[in-house]
Amino acid sequence: DTEVTQTPKHLVMGMTNKKSLKCEQHMGHRAMYWYKQKAKKPPELMFVYSYEKLSINESVPSRFSPECPNSSLLNLHLHALQPEDSALYLCASTENEKLFFGSGTQLSVL
Amino acid sequence: SQQGEEDPQALSIQEGENATMNCSYKTSINNLQWYRQNSGRGLVHLILIRSNEREKHSGRLRVTLDTSKKSSSLLITASRAADTASYFCAPPSRGFKTIFGAGTRLFVKA
Repeated sequence: DTEVTQTPKHLVMGMTNKKSLKCEQHMGHRAMYWYKQKAKKPPELMFVYSYEKLSINESVPSRFSPECPNSSLLNLHLHALQPEDSALYLCASTENEKLFFGSGTQLSVL
Repeated sequence: SQQGEEDPQALSIQEGENATMNCSYKTSINNLQWYRQNSGRGLVHLILIRSNEREKHSGRLRVTLDTSKKSSSLLITASRAADTASYFCAPPSRGFKTIFGAGTRLFVKA
């Protein structure tokens, strides 16, 4: 299995909702990432987990809460988001310096 | 951490023509990678070139690296409409921190 799987593919939520994005990989990669990408912009790094521990947090607001329950799973919990948080959220894992990306979750915050 | 800076920002060519995009970076590297992103999708790893390599080929892709000029180029030969995408270079950063530049948006007209 050489895939990074993200669910859901699309998500619409209100500003008072709580939702979670999920990411799964079974390639044995020990580092996993969350990126945020606005339209026509490059992906922006949010978080990096290495060996299931948070190793990088790029000063992301606390309304985004990452979680790594085990070496194959990465979640991003969302609460009280703002309309400007609408974006494509990409998960990735890494091996031998190469990043493997999922197809992303397109998030719309109303 | 460092990011690559791609040039041009946008490129429009006819099918069958070659497309060349460039990347510059600031500090010494041991490798550099190129990624492709189709609209609204995750990034796909294209090629990794190491600092002791000057040129590398993969199918219709040719990547060069000039460490003295801190620059790399990606050439796509005999372009196809399916090559329409954004292309990003990614020099490595410390730890697992991969930062992407603005990218080159390639449009191949059929």
